[in-house]
Amino acid sequence: AAGVIQSPRHLIKEKRETATLKCYPIPRHDTVYWYQQGPGQDPQFLISFYEKMQSDKGSIPDRFSAQQFSDYHSELNMSSLELGDSALYFCASSLGHNNEKLFFGSGTQLSVL
Amino acid sequence: QKEVEQDPGPLSVPEGAIVSLNCTYSNSAFQYFMWYRQYSRKGPELLMYTYSSGNKEDGRFTAQVDKSSKYISLFIRDSQPSDSATYLCAISYSSASKIIFGSGTRLSIRP
Repeated sequence: AAGVIQSPRHLIKEKRETATLKCYPIPRHDTVYWYQQGPGQDPQFLISFYEKMQSDKGSIPDRFSAQQFSDYHSELNMSSLELGDSALYFCASSLGHNNEKLFFGSGTQLSVL
Repeated sequence: QKEVEQDPGPLSVPEGAIVSLNCTYSNSAFQYFMWYRQYSRKGPELLMYTYSSGNKEDGRFTAQVDKSSKYISLFIRDSQPSDSATYLCAISYSSASKIIFGSGTRLSIRP
């Protein structure tokens, strides 16, 4: 069965650079969530989208922005990267707002040098 | 204070042992409780999903919720080396709201 696809798997950037992370949800899933997981930390909710509209917002820095496109894939744009942004970024998708049927991707490991 | 607190690991037990993992939460408004398993460098995978107090069993896994004491548990019977992973408890206000994770307990099952 198709799963949530995230790209790239690994990304290395320098401070003050920008990065774009992509998430392709499970087919027919219309809701996407982004989480940030620092080393040894729990996943922290960043932002979510339902039917291409932002549905909830968590601890997402102003330097970050995200959107969901007409094909339901989502992109997380990160600017002015800081060392502390180094983390594993997970995307999850569901059909409707249904956290019982939430599936996570394998994440993008971002390293900021 | 974090909204959900989880017993720190790491926890190491011999194969076949019963494992008990626990979390407490602070707000009685949370209604949905989950346990996720996360292998290294992988996304969290949902193990158990419960609503309301009581027990829910699925194979070797039992999730327990005590809303009166704001305490949730996951029991693993007949633990296997393949159960070695980080286990994250998670809570949410509703089935449609964001999930808030605990910090995770790293579990190691010794053959």
